[in-house]
Amino acid sequence: AQSVTQLDSHVSVSEGTPVLLRCNYSSSYSPSLFWYVQHPNKGLQLLLKYTSAATLVKGINGFEAEFKKSETSFHLTKPSAHMSDAAEYFCVVSDPTHSSTSGTYKYIFGTGTRLKVLA
Amino acid sequence: EAGVAQSPRYKIIEKRQSVAFWCNPISGHATLYWYQQILGQGPKLLIQFQNNGVVDDSQLPKDRFSAERLKGVDSTLKIQPAKLEDSAVYLCASTSRRNYGYTFGSGTRLTVV
Repeated sequence: AQSVTQLDSHVSVSEGTPVLLRCNYSSSYSPSLFWYVQHPNKGLQLLLKYTSAATLVKGINGFEAEFKKSETSFHLTKPSAHMSDAAEYFCVVSDPTHSSTSGTYKYIFGTGTRLKVLA
Repeated sequence: EAGVAQSPRYKIIEKRQSVAFWCNPISGHATLYWYQQILGQGPKLLIQFQNNGVVDDSQLPKDRFSAERLKGVDSTLKIQPAKLEDSAVYLCASTSRRNYGYTFGSGTRLTVV
């Protein structure tokens, strides 16, 4: 079965400095990977996704992630943090081993990384 | 396009009571998911529907949880009777395509006292 590990439960950065949220995955297949963001009392929003095209994926709000197969990593980065980036971030892997005959997938979530942005 | 709608936003019940949550997915989305997110944890899949059929309910505690998606559109998730450990946010998500990414609703925050 596939899984994801988010290496940091909490990350604090100063406004204007780079953000790095780490994610490692395990997979027997070519995985599809996602990053979601959850602001307090809000739903989950898709930031970006990797589905076997370009290894460097650009998402919304200036975020990007790089798929590195040799390191089984999919770290999320942003050059300059903004106060509005403070939220919980989830790395997600799509598990094809659980696909049904309908061809749908089950998404496996990491435990989350809470990003704090200091003024 | 309208998002995934969920209601209620908040619910407080006593243990052993029953509760129901409602989800209306994005129009045309055939696949619907219910997730449970306990505070401090990532969402855990409870049940997955494709149209009105159940695809995966392996993580659903069937002795107390039930879900249905009549007519392949709206869905309801019920808990009867509720336990303290059911306190969580219940998220509904839908998608139209294989591996396209989910659209989530805002969730229902359940507190069992």
